[in-house]
Amino acid sequence: DIQMTQSPSSLSASVGDSVTITCRASQSLNSYLNWYQQKPGKAPNLLIYGTTSLQSGVPSRFSGSGSGTEFTLSIRSLQPEDFAIYYCQQSDSYPHTFGQGTQLEIK
Amino acid sequence: EVQLVESGGGLVQPGGSLRLSCAASGFSFSISRMAWVRQAPGKGLEWVAYIKQDGSERYYVDSVKGRFTISRDNAENSLFLQMNSLRAEDTAVYYCARRRKYTAPRPGIFYYAMDVWGQGTTVTVSS
Repeated sequence: DIQMTQSPSSLSASVGDSVTITCRASQSLNSYLNWYQQKPGKAPNLLIYGTTSLQSGVPSRFSGSGSGTEFTLSIRSLQPEDFAIYYCQQSDSYPHTFGQGTQLEIK
Repeated sequence: EVQLVESGGGLVQPGGSLRLSCAASGFSFSISRMAWVRQAPGKGLEWVAYIKQDGSERYYVDSVKGRFTISRDNAENSLFLQMNSLRAEDTAVYYCARRRKYTAPRPGIFYYAMDVWGQGTTVTVSS
């Protein structure tokens, strides 16, 4: 199975800041990397698919990049509603494993 | 409105069985790939199982192979997860999700991601 490792596990930032979350895969993913946001008590919400493509309705302050085994999710000008847990997920091979999550907290 | 609604969760003893259901509406279920994802209390997301539109392909995470079976009824717009020989570590919120196919910039390449999720149903395995 492909192992997904996110860093950091938690992150504190202020409204208006820009942050970056990293996701590393145990083997090359050929850009088959997705990002999800989850708020407490809610189902996950798809933000980015295929490493860089923004899901419809997701604000443009979210962006994704990367290739091979290293990928990043960037959020610029943080808004109050962005404080949540973020997960990467590979869809290169089964099982489609998730990273352990990164909790983004308000400083 | 595109919607997935799970049901069937509850409290079950170790070794017991449970069948989860997911009712789909607002989209063409019969042409949609579907999946189950779970989340143990206070933990992260775990991909559990996947089924192709016609049921001809199914994949499972190793920890549930031989115990869980994913299935679907396209006539009823429903997805199922039959869970047998349940263990304490199966305790989680179980989400069903639609796995959507996206066209990549490069010809012949497609990306897959879970774009619609249900609200989840809670399974507790305890004596």
